Amino acid sequence: DTEVTQTPKHLVMGMTNKKSLKCEQHMGHRAMYWYKQKAKKPPELMFVYSYEKLSINESVPSRFSPECPNSSLLNLHLHALQPEDSALYLCASSQSGALNEKLFFGSGTQLSVL
Amino acid sequence: AQTVTQSQPEMSVQEAETVTLSCTYDTSESDYYLFWYKQPPSRQMILVIRQEAYKQQNATENRFSVNFQKAAKSFSLKISDSQLGDAAMYFCAYKQNQGGSEKLVFGKGMKLTVNP
Repeated sequence: DTEVTQTPKHLVMGMTNKKSLKCEQHMGHRAMYWYKQKAKKPPELMFVYSYEKLSINESVPSRFSPECPNSSLLNLHLHALQPEDSALYLCASSQSGALNEKLFFGSGTQLSVL
Repeated sequence: AQTVTQSQPEMSVQEAETVTLSCTYDTSESDYYLFWYKQPPSRQMILVIRQEAYKQQNATENRFSVNFQKAAKSFSLKISDSQLGDAAMYFCAYKQNQGGSEKLVFGKGMKLTVNP
């Protein structure tokens, strides 16, 4: 199994809603990532988890709250989002987070905030 | 700050022809890796090829090869015998160590169209 699975594939939410994005991998990878990608732009790093501990937070607003309950699962909790947060949210994983490792990406969750 | 620049927003190539995608980067680090990822309409980012900065030999993966010029900080991707399935957004990326964790930074991307 060399897949990173993200659910849901699409999500529409209001600014007062609370929702969560889920990411799962069963490759035994110990580094997991959240990226945000606006249309026609490159992915931008949001968070990095290394061995289930948050190691990088790219000054992301607190309305985005990551969680890594175990080594296979990564969540992104969303609360009080703004319309400008509408984007494709990509999850990725790598074996240990070493410099030479490739990242395995999921197909993303397309989020629309109304 | 490290930056990755892809100056060509779009390119097109005829099927079976060769195309070269350009990328430059700026860094003061000595230890880093460079990558090319493609993103087809399915949205999943897929690794095409990677290059270790301390290796002078250019990386190759089947029809894909790079021209890595470390002094010039240039990292171009050559696609030979282009196929329709190569049509995608291509992102050049640089990987650096930040605070003990590795951070992948992408260029703006380039849209490749393959004409039959």
